[in-house]
Amino acid sequence: GENVEQHPSTLSVQEGDSAVIKCTYSDSASNYFPWYKQELGKGPQLIIDIRSNVGEKKDQRIAVTLNKTAKHFSLHITETQPEDSAVYFCAASIPNAGNMLTFGGGTRLMVKP
Amino acid sequence: GAVVSQHPSRVICKSGTSVKIECRSLDFQATTMFWYRQFPKKSLMLMATSNEGSKATYEQGVEKDKFLINHASLTLSTLTVTSAHPEDSSFYICSASPNGASYGYTFGSGTRLTVV
Repeated sequence: GENVEQHPSTLSVQEGDSAVIKCTYSDSASNYFPWYKQELGKGPQLIIDIRSNVGEKKDQRIAVTLNKTAKHFSLHITETQPEDSAVYFCAASIPNAGNMLTFGGGTRLMVKP
Repeated sequence: GAVVSQHPSRVICKSGTSVKIECRSLDFQATTMFWYRQFPKKSLMLMATSNEGSKATYEQGVEKDKFLINHASLTLSTLTVTSAHPEDSSFYICSASPNGASYGYTFGSGTRLTVV
């Protein structure tokens, strides 16, 4: 089955700096890669996603890049703000395999004011 | 956008009792819903896939008699933790995507279960 690894597990940045979180996946059949933000005591919230026919996607301060050859994808947050502090999860999904998501281990992002 | 409502948000129950958690898709139909369990500071672990009108598919190591799943309509799936024990205490989260799409999964707000 699919295996998703995520790094780093914790990341501390100064407000205004950029943050980058990286994930690798094992199954080349995966074609959908969402990123979720989870605040304490809440369910994950989809912040951006990318499909395998696209190499990069951007939404305001958030961007995701995908390298299918290397089987890795990254989340980039620019001009970080204290409210960006949360746990971020990457995930991967294989089509026709029940549509289930395999999650990375999570990254705890702390943005210091 | 797609909204998934999960209730209750918190529940405390005594050992040996059963607890039901509801997951509703408010503005879309979901033939498939997913149930996850999350331990503190850990990632989400898929427990089972809930299929409308048929039996749920459980992941390896998840006891189907312990975690009963019912998906009786296109907008509602329930997870019942039977004969709860303290080790069942955890954060349970459901998710779904509109029309069974393989993208755009939306998660519920989660249920914090504490078994005393």
